[in-house]
Amino acid sequence: SQQGEEDPQALSIQEGENATMNCSYKTSINNLQWYRQNSGRGLVHLILIRSNEREKHSGRLRVTLDTSKKSSSLLITASRAADTASYFCAPYSGGGSEKLVFGKGTKLTVNP
Amino acid sequence: KAGVTQTPRYLIKTRGQQVTLSCSPISGHRSVSWYQQTPGQGLQFLFEYFSETQRNKGNFPGRFSGRQFSNSRSEMNVSTLELGDSALYLCASSLNKLAGLQETQYFGPGTRLLVL
Repeated sequence: SQQGEEDPQALSIQEGENATMNCSYKTSINNLQWYRQNSGRGLVHLILIRSNEREKHSGRLRVTLDTSKKSSSLLITASRAADTASYFCAPYSGGGSEKLVFGKGTKLTVNP
Repeated sequence: KAGVTQTPRYLIKTRGQQVTLSCSPISGHRSVSWYQQTPGQGLQFLFEYFSETQRNKGNFPGRFSGRQFSNSRSEMNVSTLELGDSALYLCASSLNKLAGLQETQYFGPGTRLLVL
């Protein structure tokens, strides 16, 4: 597995605004996952998008994948204070192992 | 279905001691992975077990070891603890039904270890 790089490293917005964070990776992938981590807690799986998919939605979350640019983006619409967390992407290139390699994440702060 | 559970949730040890952490995966999940999270190094993969066999290992010293039981429950052990081992230890489980096709991993709440 390879490491994704999230951008920006930190993002501060007001409640109700949209938040967009990006993930770039280096080599071709089978799928890419996004996770959320509230301060000091375990990671929560948000979305898995496969390499043959371009866009996926889950509630207020929208994930896009551009394999030609080796990048993915996570959009959170109408953000809430409860969305305050760190967000990580994990690109997966195959190999049979479940190993995930995480970057430093994007720390999102949603101000009430 | 119950989620991934980890015990204990918090632990304080002193340098030189050893520690064993436990992880119970979601029922039916066969793969269990362990991660270490520190402010300096971020989230780092320790090892993964599948059907009682270690399938992948991260870049950690031999003081870090693990095992998986026939019911898929897993333990990790750290011997001769060092101050730098203070971290949040997370385990994750997945079904891994199809070889080579990674599936969603479900994380436990973590065990926070403090080494004094």
